[in-house]
Amino acid sequence: DAKTTQPPSMDCAEGRAANLPCNHSTISGNEYVYWYRQIHSQGPQYIIHGLKNNETNEMASLIITEDRKSSTLILPHATLRDTAVYYCIVRVVGDAGNMLTFGGGTRLMVKP
Amino acid sequence: DGGITQSPKYLFRKEGQNVTLSCEQNLNHDAMYWYRQDPGQGLRLIYYSQIVNDFQKGDIAEGYSVSREKKESFPLTVTSAQKNPTAFYLCASSIRGTTEAFFGQGTRLTVV
Repeated sequence: DAKTTQPPSMDCAEGRAANLPCNHSTISGNEYVYWYRQIHSQGPQYIIHGLKNNETNEMASLIITEDRKSSTLILPHATLRDTAVYYCIVRVVGDAGNMLTFGGGTRLMVKP
Repeated sequence: DGGITQSPKYLFRKEGQNVTLSCEQNLNHDAMYWYRQDPGQGLRLIYYSQIVNDFQKGDIAEGYSVSREKKESFPLTVTSAQKNPTAFYLCASSIRGTTEAFFGQGTRLTVV
């Protein structure tokens, strides 16, 4: 699986957009980009995933560059409850060994 | 409600004792996983199972054992051979062949 690189921490003002970058320069053509977040002392929560097109759901938007070597998770109007560690994962979706590999993630602090 | 349940939330054990962590899901998922998380770190895969009566070691299986006798249940035993068992343990499940995993709320194990 391709490795990902994320900044260890970021701050964001409440109500502003939070843009969380992820570098996955060795991603292969059949690997998806997944984002999860983990609020303190809870299990990770799925946010969004994509292959090459930009995706949006009720939680966030995912922007993937044309060369697929990086992506950005956008929380359009961050709230204090969005304070969490955000994990970017790239993974082949298939039948064998579809377990997730989590790195250190980005610790997002939303401030009033 | 459908979901994945871990119990107990907090667990204390004396050094040298084996302890079993429970994980139950009613999502009809084939695949189940166990992860360990240490403070300030990402998740590390202990064991995973893609089908009943079958499981594979993850990255840090030493000192742990699992069973998968029923689709709904994937208990993890932390044995006395695990040298540093104090950690936050997370169980997850997914439909086989997908990477969208659902996590339990975790069990915080403290060995004294």
